[in-house]
Amino acid sequence: QLLESGGDLVRPGGSLRLSCVASGFTFSKHAMSWVRQAPGKGLEWVSSLSGSGDTTYYADSVKGRFTVSRDNSKNTLYLQMSSLRSEDTAVYYCAKDPMIVVVMSRFDSWGQGSLVTVSS
Amino acid sequence: KFTLTQPHSVSGSLGQTVTISCTRSGDNIASNYVQWYQHRPGSAPTCVMYEDRQRPPGVPDRFSGSIDMSSSSASLTISGLKAEDEADYYCQSYDSNNPVVFGGGTRLTVV
Repeated sequence: QLLESGGDLVRPGGSLRLSCVASGFTFSKHAMSWVRQAPGKGLEWVSSLSGSGDTTYYADSVKGRFTVSRDNSKNTLYLQMSSLRSEDTAVYYCAKDPMIVVVMSRFDSWGQGSLVTVSS
Repeated sequence: KFTLTQPHSVSGSLGQTVTISCTRSGDNIASNYVQWYQHRPGSAPTCVMYEDRQRPPGVPDRFSGSIDMSSSSASLTISGLKAEDEADYYCQSYDSNNPVVFGGGTRLTVV
């Protein structure tokens, strides 16, 4: 099970941290990702990191503004978002990969999502 | 960067068969596996097909996947349509430079 939290209303230029708590599997043995869906739009990949947390990947749209991390001792995935823009408004999902490394990526479990609204 | 193109919408009647396509541009569809996700409004997405044609546990055999190298496309076919199949469907793949790429999504309407 994956449970996201931390979504909120934030002003443009602001920061926010999302969390995703995992349960029911060995968290450290799975790569994890963030995927978002803006209102009326499709799914957009945001970021991924390996099970150990030592390899990270970002979509061009968030590179340099977002940072993905994990605390395997707490079974928790994070997404630190800064310099937020209106176009970052979306439901953010965390998703689990069957593999420990980010290769041949696919997602076998998703959370329910957390809404981030960027507006003045 | 490759792209995955899906039709915006498809529809079918109860009991019929529908096919959703996903065309890969930029390289060959067979170069990397394709996954398919079902997303109902207000719910978490779920995987209904992985590695082109593999069904996850719990997904009925009414769902099937295939690829066509001649058209560089993948397809998700749903037979015996049920009302519960109404949802958005997304294909997804990757390559060595792009860990995750989604198609634009297809809205399936069951009439």
